[in-house]
Amino acid sequence: SYVLTQPPSVSVAPGKTARITCGGNNIGSKSVHWYQQKPGQAPVLVIYYDSDRPSGIPERFSGSNSGNTATLTISRVEAGDEADYYCQVWDSSSDRVVFGGGTKLTVL
Amino acid sequence: QVQLVESGGGLVKPGGSLRLSCAASGFTFSDYYMSWIRQAPGKGLEWVSYISSSGSTIYYADSVKGRFTISRDNAKNSLYLQMNSLRAEDTAVYYCARGSIAAAGATDYWGQGTLVTVSS
Repeated sequence: SYVLTQPPSVSVAPGKTARITCGGNNIGSKSVHWYQQKPGQAPVLVIYYDSDRPSGIPERFSGSNSGNTATLTISRVEAGDEADYYCQVWDSSSDRVVFGGGTKLTVL
Repeated sequence: QVQLVESGGGLVKPGGSLRLSCAASGFTFSDYYMSWIRQAPGKGLEWVSYISSSGSTIYYADSVKGRFTISRDNAKNSLYLQMNSLRAEDTAVYYCARGSIAAAGATDYWGQGTLVTVSS
């Protein structure tokens, strides 16, 4: 089955740029979606189709996807961005939704 | 506004059954595919099941296949998950989530979840 690998944690100072990676075999050939989940809340879609932002998501959130790695980039990080972030793809070979293990973003 | 409200969670013994419901409002339910996604305490997200807008196409995670059944009633704007032969590892918050029409494969709205605890 298809596996997505994320770092368990990423730390960044306020105002800096955070990059959260999502690794998978030839993930560049798939569409990657990213979710933000704050404690006690349901996840929120922040990036879809690798780099598109839903309405209401700040431009500080961006995404890219190539080769074996997809990346969620958060520019000018704020305290309110502290959350768990999950990448997700649809694995058409098995007809399954696959989530990465999640990355806890800590704002120092 | 889009609302998804789950219900039916609770404490159940191993081997028992439970039926979750999700009441949808604020959008044309019959136009959207839906999913159930769960999250064990302190763990990450795990996809459980998918159902197409008409209900004709259904997929399950290997961990629940043969034990769980997803269904929908478009006339009642409701999504269901029948869970049988429950195990301790099924303990989780279960989210009902709407599939995105703009982004195939993504889910653009989630409910607040209902907690299922499997314990003797």
